[in-house]
Amino acid sequence: DGGITQSPKYLFRKEGQNVTLSCEQNLNHDAMYWYRQDPGQGLRLIYYSQIVNDFQKGDIAEGYSVSREKKESFPLTVTSAQKNPTAFYLCASSTGQDPRDEQYFGPGTRLTVT
Amino acid sequence: GENVGLHLPTLSVQEGDNSIINCAYSNSASDYFIWYKQESGKGPQFIIDIRSNMDKRQGQRVTVLLNKTVKHLSLQIAATQPGDSAVYFCAEGDNAGNMLTFGGGTRLMVKP
Repeated sequence: DGGITQSPKYLFRKEGQNVTLSCEQNLNHDAMYWYRQDPGQGLRLIYYSQIVNDFQKGDIAEGYSVSREKKESFPLTVTSAQKNPTAFYLCASSTGQDPRDEQYFGPGTRLTVT
Repeated sequence: GENVGLHLPTLSVQEGDNSIINCAYSNSASDYFIWYKQESGKGPQFIIDIRSNMDKRQGQRVTVLLNKTVKHLSLQIAATQPGDSAVYFCAEGDNAGNMLTFGGGTRLMVKP
C-alpha cells in the first residue's frame, strides 16, 4: 500500500520534554510538510522540505525542529520552547514539482502536553 | 475522536438532500483550488480541484463552483449521505511559488 504514515496516533508528554513525531511516506514524493491543526482554525504550516537535506520554516516554526536525512522520512520535534504544544499534527507530502501540487496527508498525531 | 472542528461553522442537512459548502478567498493571485474532506480522527483527503480558467468542475456526486469576481468557491454534494459527515475545507494556491493556504473548514452533519 502506498501512502503516508504517522506514528503514534496519540502521544502524551510532560511539560518541558522534547518529543519527536514520526512521518514516513512511500510515494516517492520529494516534498514533505508539517502542519498544526487547532480547533476552529485552518492548517498552519510549521516546516516544509522540498528535497532531501533541505527544509524551510513555515508560518509557525518557533519551538519546532525538523530533519530530512532521507526522502521517505520527515520527523518533527516539538521542543520545550513551544509554548502551546498540545494540538493535532498533520504530515503531508507532494511530488514537489509545483508548490500548488495536491498534498497527501497522513492520519495525524494528537499530542497532549500536561 | 479528535476535537478538531469543535468551533467550526456547522452545516446540518437531511440525508438525501443536497449540501452546499462555501469558501471565500482573498488572494487575487490564487489560480488553483482544492477541496479536502477530513473525517474525525483522520487526515484530510482530496475531493476535487479546480483551476482558475474554469468556473465549474464536476466529480462523482460533487461539483465545485468558482466565482473569481467575488473570490468565492463552493462545494456542492448531491444526495448527501451519512458517510459525507466530516469537516470540509478549501485550499488555494497561487502562481507566485507560495505553498497552499488552507481555510478554516466547515463541519457537515448529515441527519438520517
